[in-house]
Order: sequence, then structure tokens, then C-alpha cells
Amino acid sequence: GENVEQHPSTLSVQEGDSAVIKCTYSDSASNYFPWYKQELGKRPQLIIDIRSNVGEKKDQRIAVTLNKTAKHFSLHITETQPEDSAVYFCAASTGSSYKLIFGSGTRLLVRP
Amino acid sequence: EAGVVQSPRYKIIEKKQPVAFWCNPISGHNTLYWYLQNLGQGPELLIRYENEEAVDDSQLPKDRFSAERLKGVDSTLKIQPAELGDSAVYLCASSPGDSGNTIYFGEGSWLTVV
Repeated sequence: GENVEQHPSTLSVQEGDSAVIKCTYSDSASNYFPWYKQELGKRPQLIIDIRSNVGEKKDQRIAVTLNKTAKHFSLHITETQPEDSAVYFCAASTGSSYKLIFGSGTRLLVRP
Repeated sequence: EAGVVQSPRYKIIEKKQPVAFWCNPISGHNTLYWYLQNLGQGPELLIRYENEEAVDDSQLPKDRFSAERLKGVDSTLKIQPAELGDSAVYLCASSPGDSGNTIYFGEGSWLTVV
């Protein structure tokens, strides 16, 4: 089955700097890759997603890139702000399974 | 639009006792999921429903866990008897059902077994 690995487990950046979180997946049939942000005690919330027919997607300060050949995808946050501090999860699923497999999460801390 | 609603938000029970969690998905969402989230880890799928049918329950520990979605809307997840290792957050989620559509999560039910 699908396996998703996520790195780093923790990331500390200065406010205004960029943050990059990387994930790799094992199932070449995976075609949908969302990223969720989870604040302490809150629900995971979708912040951006990408499908396998697209290499890059951007939404304001957030972007996701996908390399199907290498089976990895990354989340890029530019001009980080303290409110970006949270745990970020990547996930992958195949169209036939409708089943999201999550990475282990990255705890991002943005220092003021 | 109302989100996925779960109750109770917090539950503390003694081991060997039963517990039940309730979920009301977003209106019109045919697909409903129950995920387990242990502290510091990503959510793991327990069961997925398409309308009333459980189409993926391979990760549900069937000796003590059960779930139902009788009318294809609300769902309940039950644990009987609870064990110490069941302490976790139980997340309900829903989606419209098409491949790759966004999955929306509830706030979760936090279970502590003592």
C-alpha cells in the first residue's frame, strides 16, 4: 500500500523567511496530494492541494510542487508569519481508493 | 455552510468501559470517514462509508470497534471495551465523494482512557 514520508519533523524559521517541507510517496498510482494545517487542538484544514497532471500550484504565500518521476512533493511558504506556526501534514491518495495516507507531520515554528 | 460536527469533544472513561462518538457530515456529502490521530502523528483511516455502505474498513479493529451509518447521513463509532491504548483523537471527515475531492475534517473527539 501507499506510504508517505515527511521531513523535517520540526522546523523553526525567523519571521519573513521561507519554509519548505518535503514529502515522498511510494505508490506511483497516487494522483492527489493535499496539504493540511493543524493548529493545536483544532481540526486539520486543507491549505492547498495538487493533482498529478500539474507540476506546481501557488496560492498567495503558499506553493506546492510535484515531481512524479521522483515521487516527491513539497510545500513552500514564503514570507512566514507567526500565525503560520502549526503542524503541517502532507497526504497522498489514488483516484480509485479515495483514501488519504498522511505523513507524520512537520511542526513549524515561526519566531517573531 | 456548517462544517463536520462531532460530539462529544472530550471524553474520559475507565478502561473496559464502552464509549461512542457521533458525527454529522457536511450536508450532501456522500462519503464519510473516521480517522484515528495519535498524539504527534498524522491521521490514520479507520473506516470509509459511501452512503450507508462501509467500503473500506480494513483498518478498523473489529474485535472492539464498530461503526454504523444507518441512513447514509450521521455516523457513530463505538469502542467496547476501551483499552488504555485507545486514548487518541477520533476525527470524522466527509467529502462529496468524487475522486480527489477535498476531505473536510471535524474538530475531533478527544478520548482519554484511564
